[in-house]
Amino acid sequence: GDSVTQMEGPVTLSEEAFLTINCTYTATGYPSLFWYVQYPGEGLQLLLKATKADDKGSNKGFEATYRKETTSFHLEKGSVQVSDSAVYFCALRKSGGSNYKLTFGKGTLLTVNP
Amino acid sequence: GAGVSQSPSNKVTEKGKDVELRCDPISGHTALYWYRQSLGQGLEFLIYFQGNSAPDKSGLPSDRFSAERTGGSVSTLTIQRTQQEDSAVYLCASSLARGSPPAGETQYFGPGTRLLVL
Repeated sequence: GDSVTQMEGPVTLSEEAFLTINCTYTATGYPSLFWYVQYPGEGLQLLLKATKADDKGSNKGFEATYRKETTSFHLEKGSVQVSDSAVYFCALRKSGGSNYKLTFGKGTLLTVNP
Repeated sequence: GAGVSQSPSNKVTEKGKDVELRCDPISGHTALYWYRQSLGQGLEFLIYFQGNSAPDKSGLPSDRFSAERTGGSVSTLTIQRTQQEDSAVYLCASSLARGSPPAGETQYFGPGTRLLVL
């Protein structure tokens, strides 16, 4: 079945450091790919998405490129801030059929220190 | 406008008791989803509603779990005879649905209900 694997956390960085959180997926067809973020005490929020190969999703300085050849959707940010501290989830939604359910990775806790 | 709301925010119950979790979706959103976030398991899909109908209940872990939606709005997830392994955060999401299934729609999540079964 479909699955998402993302790097184990926790990840601890200093402010202004470069961030990469790896995400790879297994799915048939051409799924849509998402990064969701969960700030402390809040619900999941969509951070960015990409719906086809080579698309780049971007938001709030974060970027991720849909790489079909490597089945990856790695999240990057050039300079993190303390306010980026949160749990980040990579997710996919399959194409066709039951294309409403999201399949999530297990989440990566990011802590950014001043 | 108001986002997805869930109640209660926290629930502690004893093993064997029944619990009801409530979700109020964003007004006008016809699709509604329940997910479960448990330690070590990540986020798992439970059930999807289109209007008041549930075309996909495949994620419900056992027949102790049921859900309903009334008036195309509020949904209730009921867990009967709770077990300790039911302890988790239960998340509700909603989306606009232009068709069935609602392809291409962003799912908006509520803050979740944290359930602890003692």
